[in-house]
Parts: sequence; C-alpha cells; structure tokens
Amino acid sequence: GENVEQHPSTLSVQEGDSAVIKCTYSDSASNYFPWYKQELGKRPQLIIDIRSNVGEKKDQRIAVTLNKTAKHFSLHITETQPEDSAVYFCAGAMGGGSQGNLIFGKGTKLSVKP
Amino acid sequence: DAGVTQSPTHLIKTRGQQVTLRCSPISGHKSVSWYQQVLGQGPQFIFQYYEKEERGRGNFPDRFSARQFPNYSSELNVNALLLGDSALYLCASSLKWGDSEQYFGPGTRLTVT
Repeated sequence: GENVEQHPSTLSVQEGDSAVIKCTYSDSASNYFPWYKQELGKRPQLIIDIRSNVGEKKDQRIAVTLNKTAKHFSLHITETQPEDSAVYFCAGAMGGGSQGNLIFGKGTKLSVKP
Repeated sequence: DAGVTQSPTHLIKTRGQQVTLRCSPISGHKSVSWYQQVLGQGPQFIFQYYEKEERGRGNFPDRFSARQFPNYSSELNVNALLLGDSALYLCASSLKWGDSEQYFGPGTRLTVT
C-alpha cells in the first residue's frame, strides 16, 4: 500500500525566511496530495492541495510542487510569520478501491522565531 | 455554515470497555472518514463511508466498527478497549466518495486507563 515519508521532522526558521518541507510517496497511482496545518490541540486544517495533473500551485505565501516522476512533493512557505508555527502534515490519496483515503506523513514541527 | 462536529470532546474509559464516538459532516457532504491520531504522529485512516456503505477500511482490528446514518452522520465504535487505543479520533467530511478534499472535525480525545 501507499507509504508517505516526510522530512524534516522539525524545522526552525527566522521570521521572514522561507521554509520548505518535503514528502515522498510510494504508490504511483496516488493522484491527490494535500497539506494540513495542525496547531497544538486543534484539528488539522487543509491549507493547500495539488492533483497529479498539475506541477505547481500557489496560494499567497504558500506553494506546493509535485514531481510525479520522482514521486515527491514539497510545501514552500515564504516570508514566514510567527503564526505559521505549527505541525504540518503531507498526505497522499490512495488509488484503487480505497480512492480518496489519505495516508499521512509523520509531520514537521515548524517553529518561526520572531 | 457549521463545520464538522464531533462528540464527545473528551472521554475516559477503562480497559475492556466499549466506546461510541459521533460525527456530523458538513451540510451537503455525503462521505465521512475516521482517523486515529496518536500523540506525535500523523492521522491514520480507519474507515470511509459514503451513502451508508463502507468504502474503505484501514489496518485496524475488528474491534473497530462504524456506520453511517441516512442523514450522513456517523458513529465509530471500539470494543474491548486497550491502553493503545488512547488517541485523538478525527472525523473528516467530504462531498462524495473519491472526492479527496477532506475537512476535519475537532476530534474526540479518548483516554483508556
């Protein structure tokens, strides 16, 4: 089945710098890759997603890139702010009979220092 | 519009007991998925339901079961609780089966003692 690996597990940046989180997946049939932000004690929030027919997607300060050949995708946050501090999870949607069910990475704890 | 709601917010049970968790999806959404999130880990898929039918099952024992009602709300049942079942149980709502944009509820924090 699908396996999603996420790196790094922790990331500390200075306010205003960029942050990049990388994920790889194993199932070439996966076609949907969302990113979730989870603040302490709160629910995961969908912040951006990308489908396999697109190579890049941007939404203000965040962007996601997808390389289907290499089976990896990345989250880019520019001009980081202290409120970006949270745990970020990447996920891949399984193909086949379990279409749409998400397999999550283990998370990256992002700390943005003022 | 109300988002995904779950009840209860917190629950403490002892080993061997049974628990039922409840979820109401976003209005108009017909699919509900359940995930278990152990502290420090990403959510793990348990079940997906669409139109009252099970459409997917993760690698969880038969002690875990679920169902979906005609109004698209859902219940997750766990029998014979183990200490290792302590986790945050998240419900996610999506428009339809195969539509992968999933929106999570606040979760139910289950503690098994």
